Amino acid sequence: QKEVEQNSGPLSVPEGAIASLNCTYSDRVSQSFFWYRQYSGKSPELIMSIYSNGDKEDGRFTAQLNKASQYVSLLIRDSQPSDSATYLCAVKEAGGTSYGKLTFGQGTILTVHP
Amino acid sequence: EAGVAQSPRYKIIEKRQSVAFWCNPISGHATLYWYQQILGQGPKLLIQFQNNGVVDDSQLPKDRFSAERLKGVDSTLKIQPAKLEDSAVYLCASSLAGGPPGELFFGEGSRLTVL
Repeated sequence: QKEVEQNSGPLSVPEGAIASLNCTYSDRVSQSFFWYRQYSGKSPELIMSIYSNGDKEDGRFTAQLNKASQYVSLLIRDSQPSDSATYLCAVKEAGGTSYGKLTFGQGTILTVHP
Repeated sequence: EAGVAQSPRYKIIEKRQSVAFWCNPISGHATLYWYQQILGQGPKLLIQFQNNGVVDDSQLPKDRFSAERLKGVDSTLKIQPAKLEDSAVYLCASSLAGGPPGELFFGEGSRLTVL
């Protein structure tokens, strides 16, 4: 069973700080990596995707990928109370098609306090 | 554009009873997924359809769970008989064939409580 592990949390940061969320994966040949956000009682929604080593920035969010270390992270700059949610790391199995299975980590609960 | 529709939103049953959940994906989305999310855990894939064919059902407990997607559109997930450990939110998701990989659109979920 291919695994996706996230830092256990919960993570609490003050408003305006940087929140750092981490994820490791076991399948060395995985190619595609995603961060989903899930508000309490709601469904997951995709916020970031990353496919190659390095950083990818989108507004206040930066995804970082290191395939050699099998490590993915999400940084949230200038954290806001509205960022309080569970963040799910997801890894897509290699296969070259859009049909590959998406495996989720257990999630990290982030709370941003004013 | 209408999102992924699921029903019922909530269901409470006794153990050993049966239950069925329905999902209608976003129009034109060929791939449909059923995920089980137990409280405090990430979603776990139960079954994935491409049109009306099964792509992956390796984690579906086939002795009690079944799913079908007739005509390649809406889908039904059934549990019979239910166990206490089946208490979870059942999430249906869909994606566009050939769309950005990993971009799944989730429904609101069906919360099952087994007593």
